[in-house]
Amino acid sequence: AQSVTQLDSQVPVFEEAPVELRCNYSSSVSVYLFWYVQYPNQGLQLLLKYLSGSTLVKGINGFEAEFNKSQTSFHLRKPSVHISDTAEYFCAVSELVNNNDMRFGAGTRLTVKP
Amino acid sequence: DSGVTQTPKHLITATGQRVTLRCSPRSGDLSVYWYQQSLDQGLQFLIQYYNGEERAKGNILERFSAQQFPDLHSELNLSSLELGDSALYFCASSVGGFQETQYFGPGTRLLVL
Repeated sequence: AQSVTQLDSQVPVFEEAPVELRCNYSSSVSVYLFWYVQYPNQGLQLLLKYLSGSTLVKGINGFEAEFNKSQTSFHLRKPSVHISDTAEYFCAVSELVNNNDMRFGAGTRLTVKP
Repeated sequence: DSGVTQTPKHLITATGQRVTLRCSPRSGDLSVYWYQQSLDQGLQFLIQYYNGEERAKGNILERFSAQQFPDLHSELNLSSLELGDSALYFCASSVGGFQETQYFGPGTRLLVL
């Protein structure tokens, strides 16, 4: 079965600085990859997803992620963060074959300081 | 606003009791998913329904069950509740399967005392 590891539980960063949230996955088959954001007291919202094709995926709010099959990684990046980006970010994976499950990482708490 | 509604927002109950959580998907979405989010186990997929039929099963306990009705709303039934069932329960909906964008509701926070 697939699994996800988010390498940082907390990432503090100053406003307007770049940020990278790291995600590694494990699966014996091809996968779909997702990044979701959860703002306080809200449900999750999709930032971006990789299904196939270009390995650089652009999402909402200026975020992008790069799928690296050899490294089994799907790191999320933003060149300049805002205070409003403070939230919990979840990486998730679902397998193409037996597309009947989704596994989430433990989450990365991004805190943007003024 | 994702378009997915969940009721109730909060639920406090006692051990051994049974509760029902309700979810209405976005208009046009045929799939409904249930997730549990807790501090010790993180975010876990429980079960998926597609157009009224069970499509996929995750880490759902035998004490839990769900169904999707003809109008596509879904209910998650939790019985013989234990302290460890205290968590945030999310419903999400999508057009089709896991590769589709899932839209999450605001969640139901369950506290078992």
